[in-house]
Amino acid sequence: KAGVTQTPRYLIKTRGQQVTLSCSPISGHRSVSWYQQTPGQGLQFLFEYFSETQRNKGNFPGRFSGRQFSNSRSEMNVSTLELGDSALYLCASRREGTEAFFGQGTRLTVV
Amino acid sequence: AQSVTQLGSHVSVSEGALVLLRCNYSSSVPPYLFWYVQYPNQGLQLLLKYTSAATLVKGINGFEAEFKKSETSFHLTKPSAHMSDAAEYFCAVMGLSGNTPLVFGKGTRLSVIA
Repeated sequence: KAGVTQTPRYLIKTRGQQVTLSCSPISGHRSVSWYQQTPGQGLQFLFEYFSETQRNKGNFPGRFSGRQFSNSRSEMNVSTLELGDSALYLCASRREGTEAFFGQGTRLTVV
Repeated sequence: AQSVTQLGSHVSVSEGALVLLRCNYSSSVPPYLFWYVQYPNQGLQLLLKYTSAATLVKGINGFEAEFKKSETSFHLTKPSAHMSDAAEYFCAVMGLSGNTPLVFGKGTRLSVIA
């Protein structure tokens, strides 16, 4: 059974640019969550999508957005990148009421 | 709001020694609790979970955790540390409704000394 797949694994962007990250969940999982991980702040919840609707949202600025498609695949977008957006972005999928399974993450570096 | 507190951002043990990583949760109702492990440049891997069945939960790689409602704790233990256990460990909580996101602790980095 395939796990959660995130692409790309590594990304380097310039300040002011925008970036789109992709996540393919485990087959049958309708919930996809995104987390930002940095050394200083740890794991911070960005948002969760369930059946193409944003169900939960963390405390991040509007520059961070996401969406989910009918096949449960999800994308997150960050516009007007800042140096502080450099982080490991993790995607997780799950069935309702169960544990989350994580992808390998996308390492974003903003220069 | 639910939260978890992991005591000790860094724990160092000798190979073969007991591993004890502490986690306390804050919730009015016993929630679902999880321990995850993260190796460098990797995602998180589930070690074990508590879902209101047995209070002593056994996980992968010889780890186990005991849910103690009176102490609001869910500490992770392993009788004998191995070099391969060196990683970062995260405790997480989820509400019983199942439709709220996982909330993670700050993590504890475990070092194993030969």
